[in-house]
Amino acid sequence: DVKVTQSSRYLVKRTGEKVFLECVQDMDHENMFWYRQDPGLGLRLIYFSYDVKMKEKGDIPEGYSVSREKKERFSLILESASTNQTSMYLCASRPPAYGSPKSYEQYFGPGTRLTVT
Amino acid sequence: KQEVTQIPAALSVPEGENLVLNCSFTDSAIYNLQWFRQDPGKGLTSLLLIQSSQREQTSGRLNASLDKSSGRSTLYIAASQPGDSATYLCAVFNTGGFKTIFGAGTRLFVKA
Repeated sequence: DVKVTQSSRYLVKRTGEKVFLECVQDMDHENMFWYRQDPGLGLRLIYFSYDVKMKEKGDIPEGYSVSREKKERFSLILESASTNQTSMYLCASRPPAYGSPKSYEQYFGPGTRLTVT
Repeated sequence: KQEVTQIPAALSVPEGENLVLNCSFTDSAIYNLQWFRQDPGKGLTSLLLIQSSQREQTSGRLNASLDKSSGRSTLYIAASQPGDSATYLCAVFNTGGFKTIFGAGTRLFVKA
């Protein structure tokens, strides 16, 4: 079974702090994603990565950055946390299209509930 | 631009009922469609994935259908149980794209 793990289930940080959210997957997937989920707004894509050291902005990248130094690990960084970044953060991974009967099936981690005070 | 809509937004049924959740999408050029379950405060769990060339997929009491030409998918849950209470999301992956587009979800409550 694919496993996607996130470093924390709950996190409380102060305004202005630098925050690191870590995500690790064990299925050698090329593609990894960071989403945030807010009531009434659904899932919104922050950043994604299709290979080591490669990254692309999603729909709401402002205030965030990412790092992918190793294939299995994708980190989301809040450079200076603000209260409007209080949210549920979800990491996901996905295999490439070729050679897989479950191409593009996306797998999610358990989520990190971040509160910025 | 692909848009995914799920109706109803919320549903409450008595235990044992069969039920259908609906998902519609505006652009039929999809690669696949995936149904997820999300429990409160948790991540998304994949239930079923239907490739664009398929019409349906089944897993236990769940059956998902896909009609690409009409831009619709349904998730059928047979003999519902209180443990089925959760939010169900559908998501589509477009051909030639990188992003997955999610619906807002249907919140299901099964009463014992």
